[in-house]
Amino acid sequence: AQSVAQPEDQVNVAEGNPLTVKCTYSVSGNPYLFWYVQYPNRGLQFLLKYITGDNLVKGSYGFEAEFNKSQTSFHLKKPSALVSDSALYFCAVRGFSGGYNKLIFGAGTRLAVHP
Amino acid sequence: NAGVMQNPRHLVRRRGQEARLRCSPMKGHSHVYWYRQLPEEGLKFMVYLQKENIIDESGMPKERFSAEFPKEGPSILRIQQVVRGDSAAYFCASSPLAPISPEGGNIQYFGAGTRLSVL
Repeated sequence: AQSVAQPEDQVNVAEGNPLTVKCTYSVSGNPYLFWYVQYPNRGLQFLLKYITGDNLVKGSYGFEAEFNKSQTSFHLKKPSALVSDSALYFCAVRGFSGGYNKLIFGAGTRLAVHP
Repeated sequence: NAGVMQNPRHLVRRRGQEARLRCSPMKGHSHVYWYRQLPEEGLKFMVYLQKENIIDESGMPKERFSAEFPKEGPSILRIQQVVRGDSAAYFCASSPLAPISPEGGNIQYFGAGTRLSVL
């Protein structure tokens, strides 16, 4: 079965500290992985993706994510958190069902960055 | 190039009324997806449409919900006889490539959503 798990409902971090938001996936074949961010009362915004190549991918707003095939993980990271990073983060994997590629989202992790 | 436009942003309905949610995809995008986000939950896929065709409605409730994407005009998600449990944020997304293609379905562009409240 194709699925995404975000084991933490919420992550709290102090401003200036590094942050990690966890994601694990289950999909057959090579995974296509994504991170989206949702600010309050807004739609989802694309942050970054892993298709192939380097395991460390860089995205918008200073975020990066590390693909680990053996652990089937794709954790989102940032070296120094900002209060403005506080938002809801969704990990997604591209699955295949119904005859086409489909994005499958995790339940989301709420990131709270405290001053 | 305007993004995905959804309206209204907020919609209040009484039980038993109809809700119509509209979505205009990004210019040049002919693939539209609808998702529902219940409070404190992730996005759940509802339906995928191309112009004039429903491709996959496997995530749609069997009754009261319907969607269309006419040749002209926005995509419409219609909920008849709304109930309190329909209260949620409904998001529309569009993509330029057919998700059947090797690179298709990689990135979807989301609207700001319609927040439906059923009284």
